[in-house]
Amino acid sequence: RKEVEQDPGPFNVPEGATVAFNCTYSNSASQSFFWYRQDCRKEPKLLMSVYSSGNEDGRFTAQLNRASQYISLLIRDSKLSDSATYLCVVNRNYQLIWGAGTKLIIKP
Amino acid sequence: GAVVSQHPSWVICKSGTSVKIECRSLDFQATTMFWYRQFPKQSLMLMATSNEGSKATYEQGVEKDKFLINHASLTLSTLTVTSAHPEDSSFYICSAIEGRMNTEAFFGQGTRLTVV
Repeated sequence: RKEVEQDPGPFNVPEGATVAFNCTYSNSASQSFFWYRQDCRKEPKLLMSVYSSGNEDGRFTAQLNRASQYISLLIRDSKLSDSATYLCVVNRNYQLIWGAGTKLIIKP
Repeated sequence: GAVVSQHPSWVICKSGTSVKIECRSLDFQATTMFWYRQFPKQSLMLMATSNEGSKATYEQGVEKDKFLINHASLTLSTLTVTSAHPEDSSFYICSAIEGRMNTEAFFGQGTRLTVV
């Protein structure tokens, strides 16, 4: 079992819809959490950090559930430009553990 | 935000030659740098983790004698693909963290290597 797991998708979602995906991690010693976005043939870029209290940035909401060891990303009012692969990252003792990514395709 | 510069951004080389890729943190000291490889339509695969001044830690299945990593300073790490073969053609990306907890990773722009 991988230390960080994500549903690879793809998630095909109509424009304007709300989409959510989870990421589970197996090591309870994990200390910090991030969502990255990667466009095709580009390097990953930080989308948002994930805090214990949950955090929101515009249309994006990230939540952390330490008890169940998962983080989630919610995208509201999805745009065509949201199409990308979303990578879940866990920082454990300065080691970054990456999920394989969830591919999101927003359709007009 | 912090900047990580990686170059070259693309390189084409002949089979059997070696290619060096540089990764520099421009405005912070990177205590740890990571090297990834990504094949088309696949996820990032961690190749190795390097800490400044010490030997890199390679992931299982990554040949350390083929992929030479040097992290000689807090702002520079290099990856040398030795005796490259067509199957080494891939997208190589470095990332760096500053060493503080809860810090994000900053990525270089990636290097697209094609071995012919």
